[in-house]
Amino acid sequence: EIVMTQSPATLSVSPGERVILSCRASQTVITKLAWYQQKAGQAPRLLMQGRSIRATGIPARFSGSGSGTEFTLTISSLQSEDFAVYFCQQYNDWPYTFGQGTKLEIK
Amino acid sequence: QVALQESGPGLVKPSQTLSLTCTVSGDSISSGSYHWSWIRQPAGKGLEFIGRLYTSGSTNYNPSLKSRVTISMDTSKNQFSLSLNSVTAADTAVYYCARGVSGFWGGYTDYWGQGALVTVSS
Repeated sequence: EIVMTQSPATLSVSPGERVILSCRASQTVITKLAWYQQKAGQAPRLLMQGRSIRATGIPARFSGSGSGTEFTLTISSLQSEDFAVYFCQQYNDWPYTFGQGTKLEIK
Repeated sequence: QVALQESGPGLVKPSQTLSLTCTVSGDSISSGSYHWSWIRQPAGKGLEFIGRLYTSGSTNYNPSLKSRVTISMDTSKNQFSLSLNSVTAADTAVYYCARGVSGFWGGYTDYWGQGALVTVSS
């Protein structure tokens, strides 16, 4: 199966900062890469699919890029509601797999 | 608005069968544009796909669980179900049902249930 590796595991940041989260696949997933946001006690929420297509209602401060095996999620100016865990997921090959997550915490 | 809701026992004894049902509203599970998945998350850990069900009735299971898993549907009730047998403590997790987008460029999950915590313990 394709192994997804996210870095860093935890990121301490201040509101208003720009952050870049990384996701690497053990083999190519072309652009079949999704990002999800999960807050404590809640289900994940789809942020991005197809590497860079924002889901309905997701603000423009979220952007995605990359292809093949290297992907990034950028949040241009962190808002208080953005502190959460972010997962990447490949859907190019079954079983679909997730990264272990990056937790954004308040500095 | 699409909504999914998991239901089932929150406690299962080791070696027994875990059974959960997902009730879907706002969409028909017979819609060919989507597939219906089960995903789990042990406490403090990452997410794992268990399997998915297409409207045709065909399924894909995670090879790591394939020998123990069955996913089925009841279109009359707009529900789909998960059965996982011979459970151990390692199967303790929050179980999510979810809708996945089908098609060549599909595969991502756009709606999730709230999750159901299932604990395996005697």
